[in-house]
This record gives sequence, C-alpha cells and structure tokens, in this order.
Amino acid sequence: GENVEQHPSTLSVQEGDSAVIKCTYSDSASNYFPWYKQELGKRPQLIIDIRSNVGEKKDQRIAVTLNKTAKHFSLHITETQPEDSAVYFCAASNQGAQKLVFGQGTRLTINP
Amino acid sequence: NAGVMQNPRHLVRRRGQEARLRCSPMKGHSHVYWYRQLPEEGLKFMVYLQKENIIDESGMPKERFSAEFPKEGPSILRIQQVVRGDSAAYFCASSLLPVLSGANVLTFGAGSRLTVL
Repeated sequence: GENVEQHPSTLSVQEGDSAVIKCTYSDSASNYFPWYKQELGKRPQLIIDIRSNVGEKKDQRIAVTLNKTAKHFSLHITETQPEDSAVYFCAASNQGAQKLVFGQGTRLTINP
Repeated sequence: NAGVMQNPRHLVRRRGQEARLRCSPMKGHSHVYWYRQLPEEGLKFMVYLQKENIIDESGMPKERFSAEFPKEGPSILRIQQVVRGDSAAYFCASSLLPVLSGANVLTFGAGSRLTVL
C-alpha cells in the first residue's frame, strides 16, 4: 500500500520568511496530492491540492510542486504570517485505493 | 450546508465500556471515511464506507472496532471494551464521489475526542 513520508516534523521561521515542507510517496499510481492545515484542537482543512498531470499550482501565498519521477511533492508558503502557525499534513491517493494516506505532519511555528 | 457533523465532541469512558461515535456526512455525500489521530501524531486511516457497505477496512483493528453506515442515519464507529490506548481524536470525513480529486475533495468533521480513564 501507499506510504507517505513528511519532513520536517517541526519547522520554525521568522514572520515574513518562507516555509517549505516536503513529502515523498511510494505508490507510483498515486495521482492526487492534497495539503491540509490543522489548527490546535480543530479539524483538518484543505488548503491546496494538485493532480499528477500538473507540476505546480499556486494560490496566493501558497504553492505546491510535484515531481512524479522522484515521487515527491512540496508545500511552499511565502511571506509567512502568525496565523500560518499550525500543523500541516500532506496526503496522497490513487483511483484504486479511494482513500487518502497522510504524512506524519509538520508543526509550523511563525515567530513574530 | 452544515458540513460534516460529528457527535459527541468529547466522550469519556472507563476501561471496558463501549464507545459509539456518530458522523453525519455533508448533504449529498455518500462516501464516509474514519481516521484516528493519536496525540501529537498524524491521521491514520481506519475505514471507508458507502451506504450499507464497507469498502475498505484495512486500517481497522481486528478486534473491538466496528463501523457501519446504514441506509438511514449517521455512520457509527463502535469501540467495545475500550482500553486506555483507544484515547484519541476520531475524525470522520466525507466526499461526494468515490474518486478523490480537486473536484471531489475530502471534507472533515470537527472530530470526537475519546478519553479512556
């Protein structure tokens, strides 16, 4: 089955700097890669996703890149703000599995 | 649209008791997923159900855990004879279609936090 590895487990950046979180996946059939943000005590919420037929997707300060050959994808947050502090999860799924397999999460802290 | 509704939000049980967690998917969604999140850990897939069918239960412990999604009413995750290790947040999520994509995303509920004393 699919296995998703996420790094780093914790990340601390200064407000205004960029943050990058990386994930690798094992199943070459995976074709959908969402990112979820979870604030303390809250539900995971989708912030951006990418399909395997696209190499990069951007939404304001958030971007995701995908390298199918290397089987890794990354989340980029620019001009970080205090409200970006949360735990971020990457995930992968494929048409056959019909479920999301999540990475272990990255606790991002934005220092004012 | 009220979103994915889970109840109870918090549940306390003593060892050996039963826990029942309920999930009503988003309106129109017929695909339900249950995930477990241990403290300071990630989301672990447990089970995927459609109405009256269990599609994938590969993440469910073999004993004490069961799930259902009846024709009428919410999906239920049932844990019998709870132990302290069952203490976790249990999240339900739903989707409109079976194949997840940018046009068919997984939406999570607020979770049910189970504490076993």
